[in-house]
Amino acid sequence: AQTVTQSQPEMSVQEAETVTLSCTYDTSESDYYLFWYKQPPSRQMILVIRQEAYKQQNATENRFSVNFQKAAKSFSLKISDSQLGDAAMYFCALSGTYKYIFGTGTRLKVLA
Amino acid sequence: DAGVIQSPRHEVTEMGQEVTLRCKPISGHNSLFWYRQTMMRGLELLIYFNNNVPIDDSGMPEDRFSAKMPNASFSTLKIQPSEPRDSAVYFCASSLLGQGFTGELFFGEGSRLTVL
Repeated sequence: AQTVTQSQPEMSVQEAETVTLSCTYDTSESDYYLFWYKQPPSRQMILVIRQEAYKQQNATENRFSVNFQKAAKSFSLKISDSQLGDAAMYFCALSGTYKYIFGTGTRLKVLA
Repeated sequence: DAGVIQSPRHEVTEMGQEVTLRCKPISGHNSLFWYRQTMMRGLELLIYFNNNVPIDDSGMPEDRFSAKMPNASFSTLKIQPSEPRDSAVYFCASSLLGQGFTGELFFGEGSRLTVL
């Protein structure tokens, strides 16, 4: 079975600082993908970043980067230079054969 | 391009009533997902369609829940009879996926269901 665990229900960060959101997962598949999605108060889900499991290099998208530790089955999201607009729910997701599952989410608050 | 369109945006109903949620995926997408979002359980995958065929419905909580996709441009999620514990936000998402589910899911704005 595939599982995704986000152990931080809520995190806070000061504007312009850096924050890391944690995610661990479990899967028996060798070929899979990992994602971080953002859900602002508008409820719209937005893809933030994607990581292919077969790639060792960590994905980056502007201020967003991941730390992918395949052996530890860990996939954390780092947000640099946090902005007020980053405040949202962040979901970690895992895709594999016929499954695309999400964690329970981490609410990120950005303090001015 | 229009995104994934869901209706209704909000639904308030009484226990025992039938509820039908609707979804129009993005044109050309071959995969459609229904998720339920609650505070306690996050986003739960209910069912997944590929080329209009249900592939995995193991997440459908009970026989009270059913989903259909009669054609590539329309899907419904029905709850009959509804119960207060069904109160949640229901999301539809679509994608163009080959094997391995490598792609981004495109979500609708969700349907917030309240069952009194």
